[in-house]
Amino acid sequence: SQQGEEDPQALSIQEGENATMNCSYKTSINNLQWYRQNSGRGLVHLILIRSNEREKHSGRLRVTLDTSKKSSSLLITASRAADTASYFCATPSNGRDDKIIFGKGTRLHILP
Amino acid sequence: DAGVIQSPRHEVTEMGQEVTLRCKPISGHNSLFWYRQTMMRGLELLIYFNNNVPIDDSGMPEDRFSAKMPNASFSTLKIQPSEPRDSAVYFCACTPQLGSFEQYFGPGTRLTVT
Repeated sequence: SQQGEEDPQALSIQEGENATMNCSYKTSINNLQWYRQNSGRGLVHLILIRSNEREKHSGRLRVTLDTSKKSSSLLITASRAADTASYFCATPSNGRDDKIIFGKGTRLHILP
Repeated sequence: DAGVIQSPRHEVTEMGQEVTLRCKPISGHNSLFWYRQTMMRGLELLIYFNNNVPIDDSGMPEDRFSAKMPNASFSTLKIQPSEPRDSAVYFCACTPQLGSFEQYFGPGTRLTVT
């Protein structure tokens, strides 16, 4: 069963603009992860945010977590063509850290 | 380290044939996961191992699917007999240990069953 659900399903923006993707989940979690998948490749881990954190940064990535709303957002600033990919949030399954469930992802397309 | 290695990268087979997918995890990573990805269902966890022992196979869709991990450096996912609805990309991923959070994915095997 899907735990996280990304929104929007697809997003196209101009190079240089910021891209924001959202993830909503259903049950309480102690951490949430974001992954990127380039076309034809495996997923790559981007960032993990814990339930006691509200915001986390990694380079041009900014992740927020609102446990009261059961939602997270991923912001990519100053987007580049290489950011074109699908982005997935992943949450623990039923409170188990050893098993994570992925959403269906947001397909991001950066226009030149 | 070469990362997670999967073979073959592409497999085309006829319905009813046996298919074996292979995975070599990163050395020292004790937990291994098999996923299936389709447009309709997204990324689904099929089974995972810890220290070569299957921990949870509740995601395995049918008895036609089986997975083994005979040693720390090798795992197989077998489908017998294969059906067209098994067409998908199958990923292997690993972590140093259970609960390590970050998973390292292989490049995947694209399976087409005609």
